[in-house]
Parts: sequence; structure tokens; C-alpha cells
Amino acid sequence: ETGVTQSPTHLIKTRGQQVTLRCSSQSGHNTVSWYQQALGQGPQFIFQYYREEENGRGNFPPRFSGLQFPNYSSELNVNALELDDSALYLCASSLELNTGELFFGEGSRLTVL
Amino acid sequence: AQSVTQPDIHITVSEGASLELRCNYSYGATPYLFWYVQSPGQGLQLLLKYFSGDTLVQGIKGFEAEFKRSQSSFNLRKPSVHWSDAAEYFCAVGALKLVFGAGTILRVKS
Repeated sequence: ETGVTQSPTHLIKTRGQQVTLRCSSQSGHNTVSWYQQALGQGPQFIFQYYREEENGRGNFPPRFSGLQFPNYSSELNVNALELDDSALYLCASSLELNTGELFFGEGSRLTVL
Repeated sequence: AQSVTQPDIHITVSEGASLELRCNYSYGATPYLFWYVQSPGQGLQLLLKYFSGDTLVQGIKGFEAEFKRSQSSFNLRKPSVHWSDAAEYFCAVGALKLVFGAGTILRVKS
């Protein structure tokens, strides 16, 4: 059983650019959630996808968007990057909907200059 | 609004000593409560969860937590800490969307 894998692990962008982060869910998991973890803070919920549809969204602007594919892999896209977008982005998959039992990847560390 | 407070930013304990990490939550209904652990450079791992029933829940790595509705608390405990327990611990509440506390960094003295 493979765990949740994310890519890239680290990346540096400049303000105004766009970024795509990728996530491969744990085998058999059909739900994926994305969280943003700023330095020294707990993770904050961005959104969740279930069977390729957005199933819930946190307080993030529309320039944060996502996709889930038929094989349950997922992407997080962020447009018009701002300095405050610098953070660790965590992908988490789950076997059941709305249980909070999440399996996290190691994250993608984004630095915006 | 849902919120989680972890009053202690850092805690240092000696190896072999007992541990208690505090968590207070605000939630409109019966909460789903969780403790996750994050080691440096790694993602979060679920230690234990409370959905309903017995208010004392057992988790992995010898951890346990007690749900106290009257105090809106869900404190994490371990009777004897090992050096490998050094990490950051997050309390969380919710179901579809988890609301996390700011975390408590645990340091273990040898």
C-alpha cells in the first residue's frame, strides 16, 4: 500500500506567477483535501475533492483552485502568487467522507519572492 | 465558529517522565476530535481520534486522550515519554474540514 506522495517537495516562485502542486492519494482513497501550513501555525483547510467534485472550501480566494482526476490524484493551482502564499502545502487523502481521518503527504514547500 | 486552542507553544520533558498536552476547542455540536503529530520534514500522522462513546481513547505509540465536554477539552497524555516522541503535536476538530490548533512543540531531555 503506497502512501500519499506530493511533488515537488520544494519550489521557489516570484510574485504574480502561477504554481501547480501535485498529489497522489493513498491507494483506494477517493477523497482528497488540501491544507496550507504557514510557518509556526497549524494547517488551514483550503478545499476538499470527492469523486472529482469540490466538496467543501475554506476561506481562500478563487485564485486557489483544484482538480481531482479519475485515478484520484489531485492538483492544487495557485494563480497570481503573493508573498503570503509562502507556506507548506499539505495534501491528505481519506477512505471515507467527512471522518477527519486523514493520511497526509510530506508537503510541498512553496517560497514566493 | 469552530476553533482550537493549544495553550502551550513549547513543552520540554525529561525522557521517561509523563506528558500532558492541552487542547481546548469551540464547536457547535458534538465534536469529532483528533490529535496529529508532525515530525520534522514529514507530514502529519493521526495519533488518535474521538467520535463518540468512551471519553478515554487510546491511540498509537502509547498515547491516550480524554474528552471532557464540561471543560471543552481533549488533552493528550503519555505515561512515559521516549526521545523519539520529540515532534510537534496538533489538536484538531471537525469532520469534512479540520480546524487545527497552532501546535505544541515537544522537546525531550535525555
